[in-house]
Amino acid sequence: QVQLVESGGALVKPGGSLRLSCAASGFIFSDYYMIWFRQAPGKGLEWVSYISSHGSIVYYADSVKGRFTMSRDNAKNSLFLQMNSLRAEDTAVYYCARGLHGNYGDFWGQGTLVTVSS
Amino acid sequence: DIQMTQSPSSVFASVGDRVTITCRASQGIANWVGWYQQKPGRAPKLLIYSASILQIGVPSRFSGSGSGTDFTLTISSLQPEDFATYYCQQANTSPSFGGGTKVEIK
Repeated sequence: QVQLVESGGALVKPGGSLRLSCAASGFIFSDYYMIWFRQAPGKGLEWVSYISSHGSIVYYADSVKGRFTMSRDNAKNSLFLQMNSLRAEDTAVYYCARGLHGNYGDFWGQGTLVTVSS
Repeated sequence: DIQMTQSPSSVFASVGDRVTITCRASQGIANWVGWYQQKPGRAPKLLIYSASILQIGVPSRFSGSGSGTDFTLTISSLQPEDFATYYCQQANTSPSFGGGTKVEIK
């Protein structure tokens, strides 16, 4: 069955960096777009970034453009989100999801919490 | 950027009720809309994509409709497991979500 497991969430100071990972299993990873979403505590959902199946196309939300970098390693069935220059407003649970028709998430991981605070 | 205005923000309903949630896009997006269900402490679950296509495994009491700017999610007969928060998502360019609708027990 499809499984997505995020890791790497932590408490980090403003201006700091963090790298999230997502380990995928149960499907042919290299066939699918992948997406990062996030949800601030008690708030709604926000799309962060998505990457094409072979990593050649990546799009970002304006709120993270220039600070976050999404990448993938198809040989290791892994997805990454490098987050730099973190701000308090980046505090959220970050979810990786498998893309359906590009931007719909048909399977989601359990999420990893990123807290940006001094 | 395309804004999604979702209403109502909350609804109180009983088991067996018909529940309708709407989303309005700030510009036309054809049928690029999905609907998700989220329960507390859990990841969202995709219910419907492309406005009206039921995701595999989702009960047929869920249905979606609309195109252009106005979209609707309908639960035909609310079940106990359906009390949750629902979000619409536009999946066109630079995806965005509605603010959510919490379906609560009356």
